Amino acid sequence: ETGVTQSPTHLIKTRGQQVTLRCSSQSGHNTVSWYQQALGQGPQFIFQYYREEENGRGNFPPRFSGLQFPNYSSELNVNALELDDSALYLCASSLGGGSSYGYTFGSGTRLTVV
Amino acid sequence: GENVEQHPSTLSVQEGDSAVIKCTYSDSASNYFPWYKQELGKGPQLIIDIRSNVGEKKDQRIAVTLNKTAKHFSLHITETQPEDSAVYFCAATDSWGKFQFGAGTQVVVTP
Repeated sequence: ETGVTQSPTHLIKTRGQQVTLRCSSQSGHNTVSWYQQALGQGPQFIFQYYREEENGRGNFPPRFSGLQFPNYSSELNVNALELDDSALYLCASSLGGGSSYGYTFGSGTRLTVV
Repeated sequence: GENVEQHPSTLSVQEGDSAVIKCTYSDSASNYFPWYKQELGKGPQLIIDIRSNVGEKKDQRIAVTLNKTAKHFSLHITETQPEDSAVYFCAATDSWGKFQFGAGTQVVVTP
């Protein structure tokens, strides 16, 4: 059984650029959530996808968008990058929603915006 | 929405001693409370969880207690070992079933 894998592991972008982060869910999991973790802080919920539909969103602007594919893998897209977007982006998968079964997290993508 | 507060922010313990981390939450509808351990360069790993219909749960050296009336829950680690050194996060579901995490506790176990 494979866990959650994220790519790339590290990324440096320039302010104003766009970025796409990718996540492969744990086998059998149909729900994917994305979190932003600033240095020294707890993860902050961005949004969640269940069977390719967004079913929850945190307090993030529309320039943060996502997709979930039929195989339940997922992408996080961020447009018009700002310096404050520098953080660790975590993908987490679960079966039927994290509140029922808990999340399995990937190791994250460290995004640096310069 | 849900608000989770976690204390202390840092905790230093001698190997073999116990460590206790406490969290409070605001949404009385929250019904699931997981604890995660995050090591440097890794994503959070679920170590134990508890649901609102249970007051206490134990797994070897780790235990979690929940007081629904007071809206607080705690993580207890007994007989701490150097490999327990990490950042620990509590979390609670909000009324939409999404997680709200605490700010984390840096635990340092000294030999």
